[in-house]
Amino acid sequence: KAGVTQTPRYLIKTRGQQVTLSCSPISGHRSVSWYQQTPGQGLQFLFEYFSETQRNKGNFPGRFSGRQFSNSRSEMNVSTLELGDSALYLCASSPTGDNSPLHFGNGTRLTVT
Amino acid sequence: GEDVEQSLFLSVREGDSSVINCTYTDSSSTYLYWYKQEPGAGLQLLTYIFSNMDMKQDQRLTVLLNKKDKHLSLRIADTQTGDSAIYFCAEGLMDSSYKLIFGSGTRLLVRP
Repeated sequence: KAGVTQTPRYLIKTRGQQVTLSCSPISGHRSVSWYQQTPGQGLQFLFEYFSETQRNKGNFPGRFSGRQFSNSRSEMNVSTLELGDSALYLCASSPTGDNSPLHFGNGTRLTVT
Repeated sequence: GEDVEQSLFLSVREGDSSVINCTYTDSSSTYLYWYKQEPGAGLQLLTYIFSNMDMKQDQRLTVLLNKKDKHLSLRIADTQTGDSAIYFCAEGLMDSSYKLIFGSGTRLLVRP
């Protein structure tokens, strides 16, 4: 079974731009979560989607948004990029998102200059 | 509140056992997890333990859970240089949905 796939692996953007990251979950998994990893704040929960609905959102500004498609693939978008948005963005999937282990992809490393 | 703490660094000699410790605060955790992160990679799920269990063994890995003290440990037997990585402890919590609260990670260095 293929694992969680994230594209692209690396992105370089300038301040003020917007960016879209993509995640394909493990086949059959319907829950997709996003996490941000930075040296200063560590791993922080961004949001979780199940059946195209956002069920939960972490403490991030409205510039961070996402969506999930009917095939469970997910995208996250960051608008008006700031230098502090530079991070590794990790996507994880699980079958139902309820009390089951999360399986992570290799992440998208975003650099904002 | 939600908080998970780990020591930052551990150095061991190849062939020795490694023990990585973690404390958490939320007693409503359902599962507790250990993830491994190698340079440039994502998080690899190593093992996990249900909050009602005391111990789980999986080949070279042993997880011990002391629920009273909210203390979790990961023991790696016969540590190899390929085990050098950052190890994250995480607690699983349900609110609107399931999410993980991570510790800051323990960097394990295995010396030949």
